[in-house]
Amino acid sequence: DTAVSQTPKYLVTQMGNDKSIKCEQNLGHDTMYWYKQDSKKFLKIMFSYNNKELIINETVPNRFSPKSPDKAHLNLHINSLELGDSAVYFCASSQLGGYYEQYFGPGTRLTVT
Amino acid sequence: AQRVTQPEKLLSVFKGAPVELKCNYSYSGSPELFWYVQYSRQRLQLLLRHISRESIKGFTADLNKGETSFHLKKPFAQEEDSAMYYCALQETSGSRLTFGEGTQLTVNP
Repeated sequence: DTAVSQTPKYLVTQMGNDKSIKCEQNLGHDTMYWYKQDSKKFLKIMFSYNNKELIINETVPNRFSPKSPDKAHLNLHINSLELGDSAVYFCASSQLGGYYEQYFGPGTRLTVT
Repeated sequence: AQRVTQPEKLLSVFKGAPVELKCNYSYSGSPELFWYVQYSRQRLQLLLRHISRESIKGFTADLNKGETSFHLKKPFAQEEDSAMYYCALQETSGSRLTFGEGTQLTVNP
């Protein structure tokens, strides 16, 4: 069984479009995250949710809006896509609090043309 | 603010040779440190964490608070160790992970 899944795996779209990436975890975790991995493979946290509540919101443009309909899902919606948004986006989840392992999804490779 | 530095972007060794992936951090408190690994075409996964004091796949890492380092070591590298390795820091219980830039390790036959 896949622990953390993301759809789609690849996303190619044009500048100015709006797109969404979905994430689901079946581990029963309370905390979910979105990370961005740029072309140099640098990983940076974007958002974190605990039980559907936004906990971390890094310096991310307002065009990025996370939505958590329930604690097993954390979706990422991006408005007015720009070339610089091209990256691999990883979803992750972990237990609440503590120094727990984060479980990562397979990533979504977004290419904006 | 916390920061994690991995000075080597690329590291290449021969099979059977010792390998050390460097990680330095800057944080005023007592953080928890992790190593995550991403094998080719696989998802990022935890390799080991300081709090567990464990050895995974022959890898160990010692936290040196004086030098603020958490270097990853393996005495005899294997070809299957080739992967991208990320050092990560967690400031306090339940807080975010801050990742280093990553080191791409290649173990040659």
